[in-house]
Amino acid sequence: DVKVTQSSRYLVKRTGEKVFLECVQDMDHENMFWYRQDPGLGLRLIYFSYDVKMKEKGDIPEGYSVSREKKERFSLILESASTNQTSMYLCASSWWTGRQYNSPLHFGNGTRLTVT
Amino acid sequence: QKEVEQDPGPLSVPEGAIVSLNCTYSNSAFQYFMWYRQYSRKGPELLMYTYSSGNKEDGRFTAQVDKSSKYISLFIRDSQPSDSATYLCAMSGRIQGAQKLVFGQGTRLTINP
Repeated sequence: DVKVTQSSRYLVKRTGEKVFLECVQDMDHENMFWYRQDPGLGLRLIYFSYDVKMKEKGDIPEGYSVSREKKERFSLILESASTNQTSMYLCASSWWTGRQYNSPLHFGNGTRLTVT
Repeated sequence: QKEVEQDPGPLSVPEGAIVSLNCTYSNSAFQYFMWYRQYSRKGPELLMYTYSSGNKEDGRFTAQVDKSSKYISLFIRDSQPSDSATYLCAMSGRIQGAQKLVFGQGTRLTINP
């Protein structure tokens, strides 16, 4: 079974803090994703990576950056956390099949971040 | 108009009932269709993955795709309390030159014993 592990289930941070969310997958997947999930807005893609050190912006990248130094690890960074970044953050991974979304995503259990 | 429309519910049915969950979409470029189940405080897990129009069955679950009507459905037979969760549809395809994956908002389902 594919396992996508997010390092924290719950995080509480203060406005202006730098926040790191970590994600590790154990299936040698090429693709890794960061989404946020908000009531009424569904899942929105923040960033996507298809290889080590490669990244692409998703639909809502503002205020976020990412790092992928190793194939199995994908980090989401909030440079200066703000209250509107309070959300559930979901990491996912998938095989690369020549196209970005032809293989299904496998999700972690999420990190619920509260920024006060 | 949203690319993918899904009624958020909530939907509440008695145990043993047949459940029908639906999504409509606007762009005929979508080619791959998925259903995810998300339990409370968990990440979404893949239930069904289909490419073509027609039906795909897996145990008590049947996914149906009607590309001509731009309509997909998930049927759950003999529903169980353990099926209580939020169900998200998702679809992918090449939209305006880029691969895109779009999720529905999710339908919250409760199966009552």
